[in-house]
Amino acid sequence: AQSVTQPDIHITVSEGASLELRCNYSYGATPYLFWYVQSPGQGLQLLLKYFSGDTLVQGIKGFEAEFKRSQSSFNLRKPSVHWSDAAEYFCAVVPSNDYKLSFGAGTTVTVRA
Amino acid sequence: SAVISQKPSRDICQRGTSLTIQCQVDSQVTMMFWYRQQPGQSLTLIATANQGSEATYESGFVIDKFPISRPNLTFSTLTVSNMSPEDSSIYLCSEISGQGDEQFFGPGTRLTVL
Repeated sequence: AQSVTQPDIHITVSEGASLELRCNYSYGATPYLFWYVQSPGQGLQLLLKYFSGDTLVQGIKGFEAEFKRSQSSFNLRKPSVHWSDAAEYFCAVVPSNDYKLSFGAGTTVTVRA
Repeated sequence: SAVISQKPSRDICQRGTSLTIQCQVDSQVTMMFWYRQQPGQSLTLIATANQGSEATYESGFVIDKFPISRPNLTFSTLTVSNMSPEDSSIYLCSEISGQGDEQFFGPGTRLTVL
């Protein structure tokens, strides 16, 4: 069955430390891949996307993600987190022949001073 | 990306009543969608709002409970009918301009049913 998995429900990280959020997918063909962020009381904001080409994708707010076909993964990273990065992060996929987004369960990021 | 607005931004309703949520996009878009985000949960697609025809519902969602309209390429409504406390959620609309493009989301409508 097609699925997208975020193994980490909650991550706590110190301000200034690095952050990595995991995302794995299970689809027959490589889907389109996205990371969204939802800050408290806010809507969803697109951080970055991968369609094809360079497997290291740069996004907004200093985030990047790396697509690894062999591992069916699309992990999100940030070298140095800021307190404002505390939010809920969602990995999402769209099959390459479709348009419907499927979301992972989300990872809550807490940033401690 | 298009700018998407939703009304109301939040509401508190009594069980058994209905609420209609509006979604307005500032430019013509190919497809519009409605999602539900239950408390502490991820987003689940309710339906695809089709312009000029009946919406396409996902498994577990039915037209009688969530009637949807899309009279033109920039506007859609979602009605939550005969509400119960289990309908308390954030409802979000989104749009996409083409297959494979990124989806952009409205700010959401936070619904509480008492």
